[in-house]
Amino acid sequence: SQQGEEDPQALSIQEGENATMNCSYKTSINNLQWYRQNSGRGLVHLILIRSNEREKHSGRLRVTLDTSKKSSSLLITASRAADTASYFCATDKAGANSKLTFGKGITLSVRP
Amino acid sequence: DAGVIQSPRHEVTEMGQEVTLRCKPISGHNSLFWYRQTMMRGLELLIYFNNNVPIDDSGMPEDRFSAKMPNASFSTLKIQPSEPRDSAVYFCASSSQADTQYFGPGTRLTVL
Repeated sequence: SQQGEEDPQALSIQEGENATMNCSYKTSINNLQWYRQNSGRGLVHLILIRSNEREKHSGRLRVTLDTSKKSSSLLITASRAADTASYFCATDKAGANSKLTFGKGITLSVRP
Repeated sequence: DAGVIQSPRHEVTEMGQEVTLRCKPISGHNSLFWYRQTMMRGLELLIYFNNNVPIDDSGMPEDRFSAKMPNASFSTLKIQPSEPRDSAVYFCASSSQADTQYFGPGTRLTVL
């Protein structure tokens, strides 16, 4: 089974709105990462949050991590049409020696 | 920096043929990962190398798949013989210090 499970599977919002995507995982982790994939392209790293961190910001991105609930959320503020993509969470399981496990992704559509 | 380079970008072959996918990681990265992405199964880790040594090949589907990393700047993923169910996008990624992974553009494989 997937270590990371994203929710919702698909999200459609209007440009300018905020987009919130969630990820749950099952086992203890070293860190959790969010990646973005545009159609027909490879994944691009967005942000990494370590297990001892609770919140992290990068530009319009805000990531939170709740290790007690084994969950994370990615917030994109003031969304743009160019944010349309698939978003994946990936977990670096404790002791897994650099191996990442990816969820199935969330398809975000931002309507202009 | 050219990023992770993969070739070919597209491959169409007939069932039973041998397929070789190639990857050049980012210079200085010591970990290399091969993934397969399909709509049904999402992004699956096939195998990864650390300092050119295979660490975990538990994701390799079966004996038809093999991967090599003869040096720090080159890796191949071979499928012999290929089958229609191998059709997917194959990604190579590299990383240093076991954190962020940098993905190549992928090879879209179609087996007829």
